Amino acid sequence: SQQGEEDPQALSIQEGENATMNCSYKTSINNLQWYRQNSGRGLVHLILIRSNEREKHSGRLRVTLDTSKKSSSLLITASRAADTASYFCSSNGNQGGKLIFGQGTELSVKP
Amino acid sequence: DADVTQTPRNRITKTGKRIMLECSQTKGHDRMYWYRQDPGLGLRLIYYSFDVKDINKGEISDGYSVSRQAQAKFSLSLESAIPNQTALYFCATSTWGSGREDTQYFGPGTRLTVL
Repeated sequence: SQQGEEDPQALSIQEGENATMNCSYKTSINNLQWYRQNSGRGLVHLILIRSNEREKHSGRLRVTLDTSKKSSSLLITASRAADTASYFCSSNGNQGGKLIFGQGTELSVKP
Repeated sequence: DADVTQTPRNRITKTGKRIMLECSQTKGHDRMYWYRQDPGLGLRLIYYSFDVKDINKGEISDGYSVSRQAQAKFSLSLESAIPNQTALYFCATSTWGSGREDTQYFGPGTRLTVL
């Protein structure tokens, strides 16, 4: 089964609104990463949060991590139509190694 | 030039044919991966390699094989393609250490259709 599970599977919002996506994972992690995928293209790394961090910011992105609940959230503020994409979380264990991806959240931002 | 390249970008083949998908990278990374993506199933790991002499099976390796010809090249083969191997295939690279912690860099993908 997948290590990361995103919620919701699909999200539709208006431009200017905030978008929040959640991710749960099952085993202990070294870090958790979020990726973005435009339709039919390769994934692009957005942000990494380490297991000893609780919150991280990068531009309009804010990521939180709650290791006690094995969950993370990605907030995109002031969304734009160009943010329309699928967003995936992934994580790896304490010794590094392969990332396991969730099924993704499909975000649609309407102008 | 792209750091991670995949060839071919699109391929249509018939059941039973042998297919090879190739991946090359100029990032100098030691780790390379092959994933497949199907609608609604996200990315699933097929094989991964942490260096030239290290090959590991992922979640769904049955029906696939790989070859790590050099640090920069990692090929995926379908010995006898079947229709349910129709999918989008991605190669990715990463490295560990120096704070990079396995951030993955993806190729543009290969769309494979097996008739």
